Amino acid sequence: KQEVTQIPAALSVPEGENLVLNCSFTDSAIYNLQWFRQDPGKGLTSLLLIQSSQREQTSGRLNASLDKSSGRSTLYIAASQPGDSATYLCAVMTTDSWGKLQFGAGTQVVVTP
Amino acid sequence: ETGVTQTPRHLVMGMTNKKSLKCEQHLGHNAMYWYKQSAKKPLELMFVYSLEERVENNSVPSRFSPECPNSSHLFLHLHTLQPEDSALYLCASSPGTGAGEKLFFGSGTQLSVL
Repeated sequence: KQEVTQIPAALSVPEGENLVLNCSFTDSAIYNLQWFRQDPGKGLTSLLLIQSSQREQTSGRLNASLDKSSGRSTLYIAASQPGDSATYLCAVMTTDSWGKLQFGAGTQVVVTP
Repeated sequence: ETGVTQTPRHLVMGMTNKKSLKCEQHLGHNAMYWYKQSAKKPLELMFVYSLEERVENNSVPSRFSPECPNSSHLFLHLHTLQPEDSALYLCASSPGTGAGEKLFFGSGTQLSVL
């Protein structure tokens, strides 16, 4: 059974610092991995989707890498801003999942001014 | 706006009540999902519908009853819930259920069962 782990559970950084969020998964037979952002009491916003054949995806200040063989993904957020404060979730879609995403518990990020 | 709208945003109900959650997507997608997010737990998939047909029921108790009358609408009917069912219920849609599909989520319904 696929298990997704995110470390750390919480992170606080001063504005301007780069953020590094980690995600690991136990079954490397994945179709893709997605990073989401969730604001308190709100739904999820998709940030980046990396297909299993890709090594990374970039969007603005965000960059996500994928190392399928080691079961890891890292989300980098450059030059953090207070508006980046949120919970970041990673989710993997495994090959037997019929569109099912397996989520990690998330990393809660606070960027202080 | 993700194109997926959920109502109501908040719901408080007693254990003997019957209520329904509604989800509507304006993206022309063929697949819709219900996820449950309990406090301090990862999101859990509840149901998957593809072209109005249920293709996944992730061992959800029968007090939760989904309905998908067409590819744009999804309901979750609730009856005789328990306090531990209090959670954020999220609806999502995707173009299909094949590999590599990107999911778009609604803002959720925060449910409290008293």
